Amino acid sequence: GAVVSQHPSWVICKSGTSVKIECRSLDFQATTMFWYRQFPKQSLMLMATSNEGSKATYEQGVEKDKFLINHASLTLSTLTVTSAHPEDSSFYICSAIQGELPHSPLHFGNGTRLTVT
Amino acid sequence: GQQVMQIPQYQHVQEGEDFTTYCNSSTTLSNIQWYKQRPGGHPVFLIQLVKSGEVKKQKRLTFQFGEAKKNSSLHITATQTTDVGTYFCAADSNYQLIWGAGTKLIIKP
Repeated sequence: GAVVSQHPSWVICKSGTSVKIECRSLDFQATTMFWYRQFPKQSLMLMATSNEGSKATYEQGVEKDKFLINHASLTLSTLTVTSAHPEDSSFYICSAIQGELPHSPLHFGNGTRLTVT
Repeated sequence: GQQVMQIPQYQHVQEGEDFTTYCNSSTTLSNIQWYKQRPGGHPVFLIQLVKSGEVKKQKRLTFQFGEAKKNSSLHITATQTTDVGTYFCAADSNYQLIWGAGTKLIIKP
């Protein structure tokens, strides 16, 4: 149980274009979804927290107009990287929680490796 | 803000040797979670510790939570190639998870 599907697994796009990443909880309703960014050999960096039907809460230093998050339902959240640039190239991972912190674990998608050329 | 220090950054071991990673906080933690991330993969939840002094085992993995709830450790006995990956601790802070830097377990060829 507790499967999170993230799509696409990898994407290569040209500088200036936008990329949408989908995160779905397949067998549970996610009260909250989290979007992380991970640089090579580094830990997870939380970008934003999203709850269904409300605006995402962005971490300090994360541009909300560049990283658009939509949490349309209890099973779907999307991250759109707008006007992507090479410095946006990274590994983006979503996670979903069935209950709430601190008592519930995070269930992660497989991640999306974004390369901007 | 709250930080969780995790050491070491890397640990090289021969297959069959033990492995340990440590997480420390300057403040008391409500709980701590442990995750494993295989190379190229995503983090997978291993366990959560809540009680002071708690010890939990999963086969060759032993997880401990300190008496003061400020530190935690993960110990793997007799490592196998399937144990390769990065192990992260994560602690709750105001309903957000604060992640350790991770410890990468490398099996020497």
